[in-house]
Amino acid sequence: SQTIHQWPATLVQPVGSPLSLECTVEGTSNPNLYWYRQAAGRGLQLLFYSVGIGQISSEVPQNLSASRPQDRQFILSSKKLLLSDSGFYLCAWKPPWDAYGYTFGSGTRLTVV
Amino acid sequence: QKEVEQDPGPLSVPEGAIVSLNCTYSNSAFQYFMWYRQYSRKGPELLMYTYSSGNKEDGRFTAQVDKSSKYISLFIRDSQPSDSATYLCAMREAAGNKLTFGGGTRVLVKP
Repeated sequence: SQTIHQWPATLVQPVGSPLSLECTVEGTSNPNLYWYRQAAGRGLQLLFYSVGIGQISSEVPQNLSASRPQDRQFILSSKKLLLSDSGFYLCAWKPPWDAYGYTFGSGTRLTVV
Repeated sequence: QKEVEQDPGPLSVPEGAIVSLNCTYSNSAFQYFMWYRQYSRKGPELLMYTYSSGNKEDGRFTAQVDKSSKYISLFIRDSQPSDSATYLCAMREAAGNKLTFGGGTRVLVKP
């Protein structure tokens, strides 16, 4: 069966520090991968998605970047965090052929102080 | 105007009542519709999905889509305290990868 791993679960970082969040998927190949951010009490906002290694599409221009160095690995990064980067970050995957099968990880709660 | 509107709640109901949730949307290109349940500090999990207008039932859950009115609904029958969560509607166009979410409705089912 397929599983998605996302870590860390909680992170407190000072303003101006770098960020690296990692997401990996097991049990499948060539998944579509997504990074979402959820502000407190709000819906999910798509940040980046990838349909293959090295292929990244950005939905919202901001202080963040994403990379896909391996087929089942998706990384969200920042060189210098801002207070506004605080939020709940969710990684998700979907088989390319499935219209509905978005599966989310357990999320990383990031607080920038 | 947001592409997908959803009342944030909270919606408080007694155990056993029917929970009624809905979303409206503005993009007529949306073709696939989903409902997710999210418990506090967890990732969303898919509850129901529909494509065409009409009803779809799965156990205690019924999803409705009215494309002419750009309106979707989720009904939860015989609600349980374990149904207390935030419910998010989501939808996407036939082409592309972007799943657009509503803001979520917080539901409280009181014993």
